[in-house]
Amino acid sequence: NAGVTQTPKFRILKIGQSMTLQCTQDMNHNYMYWYRQDPGMGLKLIYYSVGAGITDKGEVPNGYNVSRSTTEDFPLRLELAAPSQTSVYFCASRNVLGARSEQYFGPGTRLTVT
Amino acid sequence: DAKTTQPNSMESNEEEPVHLPCNHSTISGTDYIHWYRQLPSQGPEYVIHGLTSNVNNRMASLAIAEDRKSSTLILHRATLRDAAVYYCILRGVSGNTPLVFGKGTRLSVIA
Repeated sequence: NAGVTQTPKFRILKIGQSMTLQCTQDMNHNYMYWYRQDPGMGLKLIYYSVGAGITDKGEVPNGYNVSRSTTEDFPLRLELAAPSQTSVYFCASRNVLGARSEQYFGPGTRLTVT
Repeated sequence: DAKTTQPNSMESNEEEPVHLPCNHSTISGTDYIHWYRQLPSQGPEYVIHGLTSNVNNRMASLAIAEDRKSSTLILHRATLRDAAVYYCILRGVSGNTPLVFGKGTRLSVIA
């Protein structure tokens, strides 16, 4: 299994541009998450999904959109990039096994908005 | 999910044991204690979890206080590869809420 994969690894955007961060998992997990991590800080939840067709906002959803058309994919869309969105973005997934289930993270996408 | 408190940073010598503390005084009776770690430039990875009893796995041990208001992650012999940020996180029994990350403890390992 490849686990959770994210593309691209790095990206530089100009202010106002848009892009989609891709996330795919091959473990047939129902739950998927997007986090962002600013330098020296912990991870903050942007959006999450409990299954195909179902998404919900996390702590910092403004400026982002998501969709979940398949179990495997959970793309994150930035419509009008702003310098405040410069961060490292992590996608994660887990099975629906309650409080004991382990969460798997991708390697991250490092985004710079200038 | 209840909140946890961890020291900002700790230091250890290589090949010595490391005890990483976590306080969670408002833990509920059904909250699981999870530990994740984040190596430099990587995503977090699962380390261990427990409910009431002490737990061991190939990576670490988790010692849980009898009143469950604190726990300690134990690395038996720290290596340079164990240098990371360690996060202590509580998760409710339903497991439906996403993991909430604090700032964690940054562990430095000295050769």
